[in-house]
Parts: sequence; C-alpha cells; structure tokens
Amino acid sequence: QVQLVESGGGVVQPGGSLRLSCAASGFTFSSYGMHWVRQAPGKGLEWVAFIRYDGSNKYYADSVKGRFTISRDNSKNTLYLQMNSLRAEDTAVYYCAKDNYYDSSGPVDYWGQGTLVTVSS
Amino acid sequence: QLVLTQSPSASASLGASVKLTCTLSSGHSSYAIAWHQQQPEKGPRYLMKLNSDGSHSKGDGIPDRFSGSSSGAERYLTISSLQSEDEADYYCQTWGTGILVFGGGTKLTVL
Repeated sequence: QVQLVESGGGVVQPGGSLRLSCAASGFTFSSYGMHWVRQAPGKGLEWVAFIRYDGSNKYYADSVKGRFTISRDNSKNTLYLQMNSLRAEDTAVYYCAKDNYYDSSGPVDYWGQGTLVTVSS
Repeated sequence: QLVLTQSPSASASLGASVKLTCTLSSGHSSYAIAWHQQQPEKGPRYLMKLNSDGSHSKGDGIPDRFSGSSSGAERYLTISSLQSEDEADYYCQTWGTGILVFGGGTKLTVL
C-alpha cells in the first residue's frame, strides 16, 4: 500500500532553516509528481510546492518563493523541502502529497501524516 | 483567477444524508476537482476525483456512501447514511499548471 512518511519538523527560530523529508513506498515514486501542502494551526490547506516526476520542473506558492526549495531523489524514493529564512507565519503542519499525474499538477490521491514546523523565538 | 468556494459549515443528523458544495470561479466551470476528508487530528484523506460531467473515481477503500455530482460550476459531495466518523472537515481541490488550489473547507457536524 502507498505510504508517505514525513520527518524533519521541529522548532526553529525566525530566520532559521529546516529540511523536511518524505519517504515514499508502495508505488513507483519516479513516475509521479509530488507536492508539499501545509496547514497552519486551525486553518485550511495551503499548497506550497510541486515537483515533476523527473525533477525537471518545480513550482512554488508566492508565499514561499525564493525561500523554499523542493527536490527529490528518485533513487532513494524521497521528497525534500529545504526551508530557509523561516518566518512565524510558516508555522504549520507540512504534508507530503502524491499527485495522480506525472508531469503537471492533478488530483492528490495520497497524503502523508504530516510533520509540525514551529517557527518561534 | 482560479478559486474554489465552500460553505464554512454544515450539519446533518446521524443516518441522514448531506450534500456539500464546492463552487468554481467564473470561467472555470469545466474543471475537475478532488474531494478530501480530514478527520480531527488526522491528515487529509483522498475521497474522489469529480469531473464536470459528474463522473467520478473514488480512492482506495472509500465506501459507497460517498458520491459526487456536478452542475455547471458546482461540484457536490453527497454522504448518505451519515455515521459519527463522517464528522470532519471536507476540502475540495483543483489544479492548474504546476499548482494546486484548495477551497476553504467545510466543517461537517453529525448531530
């Protein structure tokens, strides 16, 4: 069965950095686009970033552009999110999500359990 | 601009049916969407992809009590024979080139 397991969350000071990982299993990771989606406490879902199946194209929400970098290692079945210059408003649970398509965004058909990032001094 | 609009809350009685609505912004009435369920303190769960013609394909293990339909720019999620575990937030989601768009979510209360 498909499993997406995030890790790397924690407490970080404003201006700091954090790297999230998402270990994927149960499907051919290298054949699907992947997303990061976040959810601030008590709020709805917010899309953060997308990467094509082969890593050739990446897209970002305006709120994180220039600060966050999405990447993937298809040999390790792992998705990453490098987060720099973190702000208080980046505090959220971050979800790894599998797209149903390979080359562009589509319906998300699997979600991870999430990892909490808290930006606070 | 691609926007999805959902009512913030809905309620229905145990054993009854409820129909949740997601509205696509002007000019986007042909778009397909996906519905997701998020139970309290859990991650989201994919329910189904719903096309503009009302055809839909459900995720793994989603009960027959969940169904979808469409009319114009409206996309619906109907849950029949409501159970206590259906009390959750429901999000619609659509997509453009490289991006995802989420509705604000509907909090469903089962009375």
